[in-house]
This record gives sequence, C-alpha cells and structure tokens, in this order.
Amino acid sequence: GEDVEQSLFLSVREGDSSVINCTYTDSSSTYLYWYKQEPGAGLQLLTYIFSNMDMKQDQRLTVLLNKKDKHLSLRIADTQTGDSAIYFCAETDTSGTYKYIFGTGTRLKVLA
Amino acid sequence: DVKVTQSSRYLVKRTGEKVFLECVQDMDHENMFWYRQDPGLGLRLIYFSYDVKMKEKGDIPEGYSVSREKKERFSLILESASTNQTSMYLCASSPSDRLSSPLHFGNGTRLTVT
Repeated sequence: GEDVEQSLFLSVREGDSSVINCTYTDSSSTYLYWYKQEPGAGLQLLTYIFSNMDMKQDQRLTVLLNKKDKHLSLRIADTQTGDSAIYFCAETDTSGTYKYIFGTGTRLKVLA
Repeated sequence: DVKVTQSSRYLVKRTGEKVFLECVQDMDHENMFWYRQDPGLGLRLIYFSYDVKMKEKGDIPEGYSVSREKKERFSLILESASTNQTSMYLCASSPSDRLSSPLHFGNGTRLTVT
C-alpha cells in the first residue's frame, strides 16, 4: 500500500543547513508537500512540488525530487531557532481522490 | 487567509462519554477532513467529507462518526470514548476546484480520555 517514510529526529546547529528526507511509494503521486508544525499548533503548508519538477526553491527552502528513487528532500539554509518544529512530508495524486498520505514527521531541533 | 477553527484546544473526558469535536472553516471549502496525530505514527485520516451531508471513511474510522450539516462545519463524534482515543485531533479543509489542493489545518484539539 501507499506509505511515506521519514526519519524521526534531526538536530542541527544554528546557521547550518538542515536536510530533511522523505521516501514515498505511490508511483502515481503527482503532488508532494512539506508541512511544518510548531508546538501546540496545526500543520502549516511550507511548499509543494509537482512531480514533473526536479527542484523548487523558495527563499531559504529548497525541495529536491528524485522520481526514480521516490525520494523527496527539504533543505533549509541558514537554519534558525525558529525553524525548530516537526516537518511532515505528504503525497497525493491526481486520480480525483481526496486522500493525502502523511509521513511520520521529522522533529527538527536547532541548537543555538 | 483561510481560517480553520477547532472549538477546543484541550479536552479531558471520561471513558464511555460521548464526545463532540467541532471544526469550522470560513473559506467556503468543499472538502473537510479529520485526522488524529500520534507520536511516531504521523497523521491518520479518520473521516472526510466532500460535500454537505456526504462523508467517507478514512483509514481508521472505528469508534468515530462525523456530521456535516452545513458546509462550513464538520463535527467528529466519539460515541463512547475510550482511553486509546487519547490523541491530538486535527481538522483540515481544502477547496475542490483544484486537484490536490493543499490542506489548511486548524490548531488541533488535544483530547485526553481517562
């Protein structure tokens, strides 16, 4: 069945780059999303990528997509303490269903 | 900006109680969803609705029901709360006029069943 996998924890020093990885299994996935969840809050959409793209950049965020390996990554440049949060990868498809498959989330801890 | 409002941030209920979790969105979205979030398990879909009075089971509907009498409101009902339903519950909405529109989430309701 469909599955999205992420590592559970990542710790980086302030100012370094963070790379959060995600693998997915649904080959029909055409939209892949990154959401951020701050403590005590819901999920906030950070960025998304369409499957015919390899890369998308938005200020400090870079999304890389390797369709062959079904691997998605989120790079945060110049990581700040305010970036500490849980990051979720999610996939969906264009078959008309409303189903989004979320990963387990990666907890990013930024050390000052 | 889309606003999805969940009526309670924290709830404590006793085993066997009937529990209502309410969610309201103000952007006229057709689709609404209820997820539960548990550590190490990510988000799991309980129910979703793509129109008023329409509902579809998600991946873990057992022990839950939903109600969508008005477009802006989607309620999750725990008919007889159990301790294994202690969790964070997240409501979300999305428009249906674009395929695979991103979800807009509320801030969540942390439910504890004792």
